[in-house]
Amino acid sequence: SAVISQKPSRDICQRGTSLTIQCQVDSQVTMMFWYRQQPGQSLTLIATANQGSEATYESGFVIDKFPISRPNLTFSTLTVSNMSPEDSSIYLCSVEDTGTSGSKYNEQFFGPGTRLTVL
Amino acid sequence: KNEVEQSPQNLTAQEGEFITINCSYSVGISALHWLQQHPGGGIVSLFMLSSGKKKHGRLIATINIQEKHSSLHITASHPRDSAVYICAVRPHFNFGNEKLTFGTGTRLTIIP
Repeated sequence: SAVISQKPSRDICQRGTSLTIQCQVDSQVTMMFWYRQQPGQSLTLIATANQGSEATYESGFVIDKFPISRPNLTFSTLTVSNMSPEDSSIYLCSVEDTGTSGSKYNEQFFGPGTRLTVL
Repeated sequence: KNEVEQSPQNLTAQEGEFITINCSYSVGISALHWLQQHPGGGIVSLFMLSSGKKKHGRLIATINIQEKHSSLHITASHPRDSAVYICAVRPHFNFGNEKLTFGTGTRLTIIP
């Protein structure tokens, strides 16, 4: 199973600034995802990070606001641009990988999250 | 209406009690995940089910595909089990597109 680390674990930022979140996986994975979890809410998929091509964004999320890089199969970054207090959330990196269950379906693993507060 | 419904939303129990968290979904699925989210925000994958029952330590997960329902049980609950438990499904029509649909979570608090 994949082990995921994220940096930073938390940050407090000023309105109008940008923050880049890093996600590192201990093995090569094809599928990497970025999620947002607003306070008291469930997880919402922002985009799928594709290696070697542009990320695929979900409805309501755009590249100018959430640029994503995926330079290789073990690393991705998400930038939250021109932040406002509404961007205060937990941002989670996730990967799909073969798990230990022996299932024909891949398991999905999550990072420890980045807790962002925008003042 | 959310495609994935969890109950209860909040659950407080005494240490040692048997805990059940329920998840109902409205679409055909290829797999169902149970996730645990700690107060810091990190998420741990507990189970992935496509049929039957799985057990890991004090945790048991069951799924009934015909009834579109899954349960997560915790035996001999402990304060360290206090967390938010999230049910997520991978709908059939998304197979190959790999998108999970999440429930809103059940906040479990175990009192010593």
